[in-house]
Amino acid sequence: GAVVSQHPSWVICKSGTSVKIECRSLDFQATTMFWYRQFPKQSLMLMATSNEGSKATYEQGVEKDKFLINHASLTLSTLTVTSAHPEDSSFYICSARDGAGYTDTQYFGPGTRLTVL
Amino acid sequence: GNSVTQMEGPVTLSEEAFLTINCTYTATGYPSLFWYVQYPGEGLQLLLKATKADDKGSNKGFEATYRKETTSFHLEKGSVQVSDSAVYFCALILMDSSYKLIFGSGTRLLVRP
Repeated sequence: GAVVSQHPSWVICKSGTSVKIECRSLDFQATTMFWYRQFPKQSLMLMATSNEGSKATYEQGVEKDKFLINHASLTLSTLTVTSAHPEDSSFYICSARDGAGYTDTQYFGPGTRLTVL
Repeated sequence: GNSVTQMEGPVTLSEEAFLTINCTYTATGYPSLFWYVQYPGEGLQLLLKATKADDKGSNKGFEATYRKETTSFHLEKGSVQVSDSAVYFCALILMDSSYKLIFGSGTRLLVRP
């Protein structure tokens, strides 16, 4: 149980285009999802917290107009990188917290590698 | 503030060697503690967790004990395998309503045959 999927697993796009990444909890309802960014050989940097039915909470320094997050249902959150540029190239990982009862464990997706040309 | 400190890697071991990866934390209250593992090109997998002092988390031969007195959560394995080669992250969860994870910098483990 506790499986989180991401789609796509990798994407290459041209500078100036927008890219949408999906994060789904497959066998549980996720009231809270998190989006991280990871640079090569570095730890994860939390970008934003996404709660179902409400606006995402962004970490300091993260541009909310550039990284649009939507958490429309209890099993799906999306991250849209708008007007992508080469510096947005990175590994994006989502995680989901099981909302059924008290649990403090986050389950992570396999990640999406974005390359902006 | 809340933080997690891990030993720097890479850690290089021969197969069947004993593994210790040190992790210490600073936190308000008594957070739950986690070890996650990341294989190349993949997301993070939960390896083990402990929710209170003196709890021992264990999985796949790995163990870590929540030590409140030393604020530590060191990861150990008695006999590593080549397949254990990965990056290991120690983390704590904030004990507020945010449920944010605070990660250490990660420790790369390389096990040679």
